[in-house]
Amino acid sequence: NAGVTQTPKFRILKIGQSMTLQCAQDMNHNYMYWYRQDPGMGLKLIYYSVGAGITDKGEVPNGYNVSRSTTEDFPLRLELAAPSQTSVYFCASTAGGTDTQYFGPGTRLTVL
Amino acid sequence: GQSLEQPSEVTAVEGAIVQINCTYQTSGFYGLSWYQQHDGGAPTFLSYNGLDGLEETGRFSSFLSRSDSYGYLLLQELQMKDSASYFCAVSGGGFKTIFGAGTRLFVKA
Repeated sequence: NAGVTQTPKFRILKIGQSMTLQCAQDMNHNYMYWYRQDPGMGLKLIYYSVGAGITDKGEVPNGYNVSRSTTEDFPLRLELAAPSQTSVYFCASTAGGTDTQYFGPGTRLTVL
Repeated sequence: GQSLEQPSEVTAVEGAIVQINCTYQTSGFYGLSWYQQHDGGAPTFLSYNGLDGLEETGRFSSFLSRSDSYGYLLLQELQMKDSASYFCAVSGGGFKTIFGAGTRLFVKA
């Protein structure tokens, strides 16, 4: 099993550009999460999904969108990138809503 | 809403025992988890408490008191490789998981 994979690993965007951060898991987990982590800080929940076709907002959803068309994939879309979105983005998945979360390696995004 | 509080930094010497506390406020509570994160890496799961009491996994133990909205992570026989950030996380209503700001542990020789 590859676990949770994320692409790209690094990306630099200009203000106003858009991009999609990819996340995939091969563990057949129903629950998937997107977090952002600013330097020296904890993880903030952006969006989460409890199954294909079902998504919900977390603590900091503004400026982001998600979709969950399959169990495996949970892409995060940034529209009109802003410097405040400079962060490390982690995707995670879990079999049950309260179980161990398995994290991907992260995407380091810089918006200039 | 949900919030968690944990100390920002803890320093201890190699071989010692250290306790990292976490207090939380949440609407709906399923359990308290602990994660470790080394610099530049992804968080990795350490422990989970769904019920009151102590859970032990090797050198790491975690405790939960639901009535006090309090838990802690206990690290024994500290090693240099334990230098990392430690996060408590609450699984609450709607299966959201909210993380604390993290405690940076420095282990000195």
